[in-house]
Amino acid sequence: AQRVTQPEKLLSVFKGAPVELKCNYSYSGSPELFWYVQYSRQRLQLLLRHISRESIKGFTADLNKGETSFHLKKPFAQEEDSAMYYCALRVKDSSYKLIFGSGTRLLVRP
Amino acid sequence: KAGVTQTPRYLIKTRGQQVTLSCSPISGHRSVSWYQQTPGQGLQFLFEYFSETQRNKGNFPGRFSGRQFSNSRSEMNVSTLELGDSALYLCASSLALSNTEAFFGQGTRLTVV
Repeated sequence: AQRVTQPEKLLSVFKGAPVELKCNYSYSGSPELFWYVQYSRQRLQLLLRHISRESIKGFTADLNKGETSFHLKKPFAQEEDSAMYYCALRVKDSSYKLIFGSGTRLLVRP
Repeated sequence: KAGVTQTPRYLIKTRGQQVTLSCSPISGHRSVSWYQQTPGQGLQFLFEYFSETQRNKGNFPGRFSGRQFSNSRSEMNVSTLELGDSALYLCASSLALSNTEAFFGQGTRLTVV
């Protein structure tokens, strides 16, 4: 079964604290994973993808195939990081589609 | 470059009616996907269109349909609306089928009463 699990609905941290948003996936093929972010009153937008191995806004995510995880991390959270974060798995059947996790709301307190 | 545009932004319909939502992709993008977002089910894939052909379909009843025009604009239609169809409908466009980055619109908030 193709599935993305984000176990935390809400993650609340203080400004400057480290952040880790968890994401686990289930997929028999070769996974392509993404993190999307939705700030208040804004559209869903791509934050980062595992194939790029990039760091965006201080966030990084490493694909761990052994643990089937793609956790999103940031060493020092900022208030402007408060948003909904969705982990997504790109799968291929007749074409490609994204399977999203249920999302984690990150709240960074001052 | 203009982003993905969805119209209308908000819609209220009654049970049994039908509705058509529109999506204009980013200029030059040829792939359009539709997703339904609800508090209970999250974001769920509806279908994808490329070159005016449906290339993939999610697990939704036949009441949900769509089409794509030669200019890549897409519409989705829901017939015989049910209360459970109340959701935010998101459209995403990509350059091509194989392109990994999807750009999302603001969505159309459909309320069925």
